[in-house]
Amino acid sequence: AQSVSQHNHHVILSEAASLELGCNYSYGGTVNLFWYVQYPGQHLQLLLKYFSGDPLVKGIKGFEAEFIKSKFSFNLRKPSVQWSDTAEYFCAVKYYDGGSQGNLIFGKGTKLSVKP
Amino acid sequence: NAGVTQTPKFQVLKTGQSMTLQCAQDMNHEYMSWYRQDPGMGLRLIHYSVGAGITDQGEVPNGYNVSRSTTEDFPLRLLSAAPSQTSVYFCASSYRSMNYGYTFGSGTRLTVV
Repeated sequence: AQSVSQHNHHVILSEAASLELGCNYSYGGTVNLFWYVQYPGQHLQLLLKYFSGDPLVKGIKGFEAEFIKSKFSFNLRKPSVQWSDTAEYFCAVKYYDGGSQGNLIFGKGTKLSVKP
Repeated sequence: NAGVTQTPKFQVLKTGQSMTLQCAQDMNHEYMSWYRQDPGMGLRLIHYSVGAGITDQGEVPNGYNVSRSTTEDFPLRLLSAAPSQTSVYFCASSYRSMNYGYTFGSGTRLTVV
């Protein structure tokens, strides 16, 4: 079955530190890739997405992600985190396999805590 | 432009009771889905719909029913609530092309006692 793996369950950083959150998926075919953020008590919001073209994708709030097809990875990065980035981050993948083409499969999430 | 509207926001049920979680979108999205979110489990797909009159099961469909009689509405029915269904439920919708990703509702926090 297709799956999405997020390597870190909980990441703790100080303000101004750099961030990289890992995401790997299991399918070698065509995929669309997403990162969502969930601030405490809120619903999921789209940070960025990759469909095709430049594998380095820039999103909102200074986040970016790089799609590396050979590694089945889509890691999220931010050069300098702020306290307001404290949230849970979810990687999601849409697989094109002729089956359930309308669905996103989510990773289990990574909690980011930024210390002021 | 309300986006995706879920009601209620909070609900407490007794074991064995039934209820319907409502979801409505005003963006004319073809796709709609229901996810449940549990600590450490991420979001798991319950049921989804690719258009009015068409629904299918996701990863964790047992104990839930859905129907899609209109493009706008996608209610989720709990047939006989169990404590294992205590969770936060999110409804999401998107265009068929998925170019804008999913838009999520604000969630329903359900507790079954």
